[in-house]
Amino acid sequence: EIVMTQSPGTLSVSPGERATLSCRASQSVSTNLAWYQQKPGQAPRLLIHGASTRATGIPARFSGSGSGTEFTLTIGSLQSGDFAVYYCQQYNNWPFVFGQGTKVEVK
Amino acid sequence: EVQLLESGGGLLQPGGSLRLSCAASGFTFSNYAMNWARQAPGKGLEWVSAISGRIESTYYADSVRGRFTISRDDSKSTVYLQMNSLRAEDTAVYYCAKGPFAMVTAMDSWGQGTLVTVSS
Repeated sequence: EIVMTQSPGTLSVSPGERATLSCRASQSVSTNLAWYQQKPGQAPRLLIHGASTRATGIPARFSGSGSGTEFTLTIGSLQSGDFAVYYCQQYNNWPFVFGQGTKVEVK
Repeated sequence: EVQLLESGGGLLQPGGSLRLSCAASGFTFSNYAMNWARQAPGKGLEWVSAISGRIESTYYADSVRGRFTISRDDSKSTVYLQMNSLRAEDTAVYYCAKGPFAMVTAMDSWGQGTLVTVSS
């Protein structure tokens, strides 16, 4: 089973600043990687699939990059609604697994 | 607008069985893969099971394989998760999620979830 490791566990950022989240796979997943945002009490929301393709309706300040084993989610100019937990998920090999999440909190 | 409405959650004892349902609307259900994912209280997300569109191939996490069965009824736009031999560690909010394609990949729309509690 592929292991997905996200870092950092918690990221403290001031509104208006940029946030950079990392996700590492224990073996190559090509570009078969998605990023999700989850706010307290809500279902997750797909942000990015194919490592870098924004899902429908996702603002341009969210961008994804990477391939193979190293991936990055960048949130430019954080807004109040962006403070949440972010998960990566690989869908290259069964079983599909999520990372443990990165919490983005207000600094 | 895509809508996914889960139902069937509840409180039950270890060893029991439960069937979750997810009624979908707002898209051509048969053309898309469907998934179940779960989240234990205060924990992260865990993908549980998926079923592709059209061909209806099924996939399971190791933690549920042999105990859970996913199925779909395209005539009712509904996906099901039959859960048997339930354990305390199956306690979680269970989410139904749609994929963007017939083959199973990411999950682009999610329901609000249904809570399953397994406790004696």
